[in-house]
Amino acid sequence: QVQLQESGPGLVKPSQTLSLTCTVSGGSISSGGYYWSWIRQHPGKGLEWIGYISYSGSTYYNPSLKSRVTISVDTSKNQFSLRLSSVTAADTAMYYCARYFGSDKRVEYYFDYWGQGTLVTVSS
Amino acid sequence: SSELTQDPAVSVALGQTVRITCQGDSLRSYYASWYQQKPGQAPILVIYGKNNRPSGIPDRFSGSSSGNTASLTITGAQAEDEADYYCNSRDSNVVFGGGTKLTVL
Repeated sequence: QVQLQESGPGLVKPSQTLSLTCTVSGGSISSGGYYWSWIRQHPGKGLEWIGYISYSGSTYYNPSLKSRVTISVDTSKNQFSLRLSSVTAADTAMYYCARYFGSDKRVEYYFDYWGQGTLVTVSS
Repeated sequence: SSELTQDPAVSVALGQTVRITCQGDSLRSYYASWYQQKPGQAPILVIYGKNNRPSGIPDRFSGSSSGNTASLTITGAQAEDEADYYCNSRDSNVVFGGGTKLTVL
């Protein structure tokens, strides 16, 4: 059973960089066909996809966040990470990591495993 | 466009059938996936692809699609099905619907 666990500071100051890590267990992050993703949820709001990375390092970001987001992968540690720069109070949210899987041939994609989430508050 | 539209709230009587819908142009190209989120918990996948349920998801959950509309149907809704439900798809971007709050009366 694949499990994902987010870790990182729960409080970040405005203008600084938010950094989170997702540790994957029960499976290898190097397994082909998967994309390792970050999703966030503002308090009381819906889900917002941030971006994803393949095990080989190919990335794809939400255009609305692209200028501030970097997702990286460390296959030796079975981890992937999120960096969001120049944060403001609007970046206060629950941040989830998730595994994204699918196929253009079958025209289906889905997030099959999720971490429990970590709340990040941006405040001075 | 990369948008998915859901009704904000739907209610259903205990034991009855409810359909939650999701509309968007991307659904003409890709199947939707559906997620259930209960308060204080992470979302869980309930339906993906044409109509597939992950292991552990009750068979009262089913999915369908027609044109630009995807539907999640719960046949015989239970009290534990009360939750927020989100659809998800992709075209040039990965996008979630705004969510539907399901109340079981």
